Amino acid sequence: QKEVEQNSGPLSVPEGAIASLNCTYSDRGSQSFFWYRQYSGKSPELIMFIYSNGDKEDGRFTAQLNKASQYVSLLIRDSQPSDSATYLCAVNVDSNYQLIWGAGTKLIIKP
Amino acid sequence: EAGVTQFPSHSVIEKGQTVTLRCDPISGHDNLYWYRRVMGKEIKFLLHFVKESKQDESGMPNNRFLAERTGGTYSTLKVQPAELEDSGVYFCASSPGAAAGYGYTFGSGTRLTVV
Repeated sequence: QKEVEQNSGPLSVPEGAIASLNCTYSDRGSQSFFWYRQYSGKSPELIMFIYSNGDKEDGRFTAQLNKASQYVSLLIRDSQPSDSATYLCAVNVDSNYQLIWGAGTKLIIKP
Repeated sequence: EAGVTQFPSHSVIEKGQTVTLRCDPISGHDNLYWYRRVMGKEIKFLLHFVKESKQDESGMPNNRFLAERTGGTYSTLKVQPAELEDSGVYFCASSPGAAAGYGYTFGSGTRLTVV
């Protein structure tokens, strides 16, 4: 079983709709959770991080964490074509400095 | 503020050759990380420097890989001799603090192709 799992997609969402991205993790010692966005040929860019149960909102982005069920999700409201990218979920375990990554979900926003 | 700089951006070498990748972190960032993404796979941790010291090198695949960070500034990652399975994108990231992920800034990566 992979430590961090994401559906590879592509996930196609019409412009203006809500895009919902999900990530599950296997290690219950996971302490903090990150969503990165990566455009093709570019480096990962941090969008949000969350470390306590519940929701965290930043503009059009909302991260949701459920530690009991071991999943974290990212919602993108009012999706724009510029949101089209690969979204990477990463997890930090036991305050270790390294991040454990999912393979990413490719998101396509259709005008 | 200048970002994290990596070079070369692309490198194509033959199996058995040596390649050295370089990363210049953001000035003042004590923490420097190397990650690698092999085609179709997840990004994998390689190692973590705090200043010039290796804090964690548990992700280094084998002794063909050697990372250094002399003087706690830029870092190099040498692969010698390179094998086909070393092909991938090598990312460097730096952060001012020690907490994983917070304030990580990634470089644009070096795409290494071993033929």
